Amino acid sequence: DTEVTQTPKHLVMGMTNKKSLKCEQHMGHRAMYWYKQKAKKPPELMFVYSYEKLSINESVPSRFSPECPNSSLLNLHLHALQPEDSALYLCASSPLSSPSSTDTQYFGPGTRLTVL
Amino acid sequence: QKEVEQDPGPLSVPEGAIVSLNCTYSNSAFQYFMWYRQYSRKGPELLMYTYSSGNKEDGRFTAQVDKSSKYISLFIRDSQPSDSATYLCAMRDETGFQKLVFGTGTRLLVSP
Repeated sequence: DTEVTQTPKHLVMGMTNKKSLKCEQHMGHRAMYWYKQKAKKPPELMFVYSYEKLSINESVPSRFSPECPNSSLLNLHLHALQPEDSALYLCASSPLSSPSSTDTQYFGPGTRLTVL
Repeated sequence: QKEVEQDPGPLSVPEGAIVSLNCTYSNSAFQYFMWYRQYSRKGPELLMYTYSSGNKEDGRFTAQVDKSSKYISLFIRDSQPSDSATYLCAMRDETGFQKLVFGTGTRLLVSP
């Protein structure tokens, strides 16, 4: 079963709100990812966690704050967002066996975020 | 020049047609090649995964990689209206195994 779940499916928030996106996988994957996807564009990598530690931060503004409480869960905390942050936020996971393995990434359904 | 080039389409075909989707790339270090299908407002779904050069077949789908030409293809046989989606190619090298490089996606429309 290659399932990554994300909640909520939709989120509308004001620029002063604080909210969180959640992602969960039970495949034993040790790498988890946050992507941002705008309409008609490919996913853009934001953060990567490997073995629950942040390994890649793609120069994302501090109003986005990731957290990996354990190997199955990934959160993205949102604060003081801008309307241009409205997008589909995708979570993904991968086994992380080794660089030369056939690991690849499996995506969740996404959270559609609208910032007013 | 982008690392991965993909025609955004849309590509419109009648039901039953053979569809060819393609990507070109510039980084000769890419070794792992993927095709994802993304329905509107949904997350990408992994369709095919290929390592290095060669062909891989799975049902109606065939993935081809030609590393000498830096060109990858996805063929869909007997296309169905349910195949209407955006198809994203993605690839990575041996070291960047946590970072996929995506094409822009090709939107496919299969009409009944």
